[in-house]
Order: sequence, then C-alpha cells, then structure tokens
Amino acid sequence: QVQLVQSGAEVKKPGASVKVSCKASGYTFTSYYMHWVRQAPGQGLEWMGIINPSGGSTSYAQKFQGRVTMTRDTSTSTVYMELSSLRSEDTAVYYCARCSTSCNYMDVWGKGTTVTVSS
Amino acid sequence: EIVLTQSPGTLSLSPGERATLSCRASQSVSSSYLAWYQQKPGQAPRLLIYGASSRATGIPDRFSGSGSGTDFTLTISRLEPEDFAVYYCQQYGSSPPIFTFGPGTKVDIK
Repeated sequence: QVQLVQSGAEVKKPGASVKVSCKASGYTFTSYYMHWVRQAPGQGLEWMGIINPSGGSTSYAQKFQGRVTMTRDTSTSTVYMELSSLRSEDTAVYYCARCSTSCNYMDVWGKGTTVTVSS
Repeated sequence: EIVLTQSPGTLSLSPGERATLSCRASQSVSSSYLAWYQQKPGQAPRLLIYGASSRATGIPDRFSGSGSGTDFTLTISRLEPEDFAVYYCQQYGSSPPIFTFGPGTKVDIK
C-alpha cells in the first residue's frame, strides 16, 4: 500500500537548520510530485512548497523562499525538506503529502514530524 | 493570491444531525481545484473530497461536496461519532503552482 514514512522528532536552537525526510513506498516514486505542509500548535495547515521527484524541480511558497530547500534521492525514494535560520515560530508538525495524479490536491499524507525550536 | 474563508469557525452538533460547512474563495476557483480534508487530533489530514464533489477512496457517502465559483460546501448528512474533527478546504492555483488552505471548521459534539 502507498506509504509515506517521515523521520523522527527534532529539537533545534534558534538560528539552526533542520532537515526532515519522507520515504515513499508502494508506488512509482518519480511519478508523483510531493508537497510539504506544516501546522503550528493549535493552528491550521500551511503549504510550504512542492518538489517533482523525477527532475528535482521545486516551487516554494513565497513566505519560505530563501529559507527552504526541498530535495530528493531517487535511489531511496526519499524526499527531504530543509528549513534554515529557524526561529520559535517554526515550531510545528511538518507533513509530506503526495500530490494527486492531476496534482490538484494531496491524496496521501505522512504522519508528520514534530520540529521544536527552543533555546 | 486567492484567500479561502471557512464558516462557521466551530459547529456544535449532536450525532445524527446534518452538518453544513462553507468555504468561500476571494476569487473564482475552478471546481477541479477544490478539495476538502478531515483532521482528527494528533493525526495527519485525510483527503475527503476532490474536484469539489468527488469522494476520495473509502470515504462514506454521508460526506458530499458541492459548489462552484467562489462558494463551496461540505455536507455531512448524519454525523457519526468519528466525524467530530476539523475540516479544511484547499484550492490549487497554477503558474506558479500555489496551494492554499482555509482556516478550518471544527465540528464538535454539542
């Protein structure tokens, strides 16, 4: 079955970077784009960007431009999201989510990775 | 950039009642590009509806979506105990690609 398995929780200091992974299985990795979405405690969902695992092209939400980098490793069917210059407001659960065939919505979600930014 | 507004913020209902959730866009959205998700505490969101009215795989038929243009609705015909959750609408815009979520509607037990 289609599965997205994310890396474990992280605790980082302000100013540091964090890199979260998302390993896909159960489908052809390069055939579906992948999103990253985050959710701050008690808040709603916030789209961060998308990566094409086939060619590696990316598109980021304007809010995260210059601070986020999404990459992929086709040999392990894994996508990565790195967020730099962390601040307390980046404390959130980070989800990877597969883009649908038509890439209009997110059809499969990972369980999320909690990132805590604290001094 | 299109902004999505959801109402009400919280809907307090009893099991068996009908729930009607609204999602309004600041500009017209193609129906093909409107989706709904359900999120329970401590869980990832789950796709319910795509293309404004198509149910995702495994979603019970008590969930239905409708609407067009700037006004979309998610209806739960008879609430089951497991339906008490937060519901988000989401739209897709192209060139460049951008995905936007509404702020969510919480359906809680009255």
